[in-house]
Amino acid sequence: AQSVTQLDSHVSVSEGTPVLLRCNYSSSYSPSLFWYVQHPNKGLQLLLKYTSAATLVKGINGFEAEFKKSETSFHLTKPSAHMSDAAEYFCVVSGSDTGGFKTIFGAGTRLFVKA
Amino acid sequence: DGGITQSPKYLFRKEGQNVTLSCEQNLNHDAMYWYRQDPGQGLRLIYYSQIVNDFQKGDIAEGYSVSREKKESFPLTVTSAQKNPTAFYLCASTRGLGDYGYTFGSGTRLTVV
Repeated sequence: AQSVTQLDSHVSVSEGTPVLLRCNYSSSYSPSLFWYVQHPNKGLQLLLKYTSAATLVKGINGFEAEFKKSETSFHLTKPSAHMSDAAEYFCVVSGSDTGGFKTIFGAGTRLFVKA
Repeated sequence: DGGITQSPKYLFRKEGQNVTLSCEQNLNHDAMYWYRQDPGQGLRLIYYSQIVNDFQKGDIAEGYSVSREKKESFPLTVTSAQKNPTAFYLCASTRGLGDYGYTFGSGTRLTVV
């Protein structure tokens, strides 16, 4: 069965410092993996996606993520945080599983950025 | 610009009432979805539809109903049978089931008063 775990419910960084949001996944088959961002009272916006091509994926707003099959991880990083990055981030796994095609959302990580 | 429009943005419901949340897309996407979002729980799938006049239950369909009479529209009715309807509801679409790029609407916040 597929599952996704975001290891931190909250992360706090100072503006200009690196961001690391951690995500581990479990899947019986080769999954596709995504990161979405949600600002308060808004819908989710796709940041980046991994679909079995390059393992280092670059997304919008300077974010990137690396797919590590051996560690079953897909952590999201950004070299330098900006105040506008403060939001909630969701790691998502999609793919075929024993019960058919499924998309599973992580519980979310709220990113705080301090001035 | 193409996108998904959800209305209303805020909705208040009295106990025992049914309410309908609107979702319209102009992306020409075949598949549409309704998710419920509660704090700390991520998104949970309520219903999805691959094509017009067809829809399937998701993980938490009890107390909800949907219709898909037009490709562009996928309204969600929250019935009085839904015991805890206060939540943020998100509509999404993809080109087809299995297409991995979700486009989300901006959501409807439903509160029971």
